[in-house]
Amino acid sequence: GQQVMQIPQYQHVQEGEDFTTYCNSSTTLSNIQWYKQRPGGHPVFLIQLVKSGEVKKQKRLTFQFGEAKKNSSLHITATQTTDVGTYFCAGPPISSGSARQLTFGSGTQLTVLP
Amino acid sequence: GAVVSQHPSRVICKSGTSVKIECRSLDFQATTMFWYRQFPKQSLMLMATSNEGSKATYEQGVEKDKFLINHASLTLSTLTVTSAHPEDSSFYICSALTGTGSYEQYFGPGTRLTVT
Repeated sequence: GQQVMQIPQYQHVQEGEDFTTYCNSSTTLSNIQWYKQRPGGHPVFLIQLVKSGEVKKQKRLTFQFGEAKKNSSLHITATQTTDVGTYFCAGPPISSGSARQLTFGSGTQLTVLP
Repeated sequence: GAVVSQHPSRVICKSGTSVKIECRSLDFQATTMFWYRQFPKQSLMLMATSNEGSKATYEQGVEKDKFLINHASLTLSTLTVTSAHPEDSSFYICSALTGTGSYEQYFGPGTRLTVT
């Protein structure tokens, strides 16, 4: 079955440092979504990328979808303590025939030290 | 907009009993809802897709007779864990699609189930 791995699993950064998490799928995705889950909370949608090679920015966050639509990355510039949480990528494999059902990545837990 | 609620937020039950978890879309109609399970410090695992007015679609390895899903209206889906055992203890989260063509999923706050 489809596997979606993220690295690193954990990341501790000093406030102000940059952070990047990488997402790799074993199969081609029709789209990639990113979610953030705060400790004790539920996942909150951040963004969706659909096109091969697409790059989107949200303030300090930059999202990229790979050319082969099998990998993605999230980069945070100058982290803040409010960025703490676990970041998940998620996507439906093209082979599933459904663009709605998501396979979630393993997640990267970000800790920002003040 | 696009708020999803879950009830209860926490439940403790004895082994062998059944527990019902409700997932409601508060300000939109959700033709499709999803049920996930999340173990501590792990990712979300899709259990089933719930479609209003039809039978749920279960993921491989998920027992449909143990995890009963009903999506009787456009704003409510329920998950019933039947004959619960301690290994069913987990965080259960539902999500919903707004049906506007967006694939963004709106998640409920989750239900922490503990089976003693």
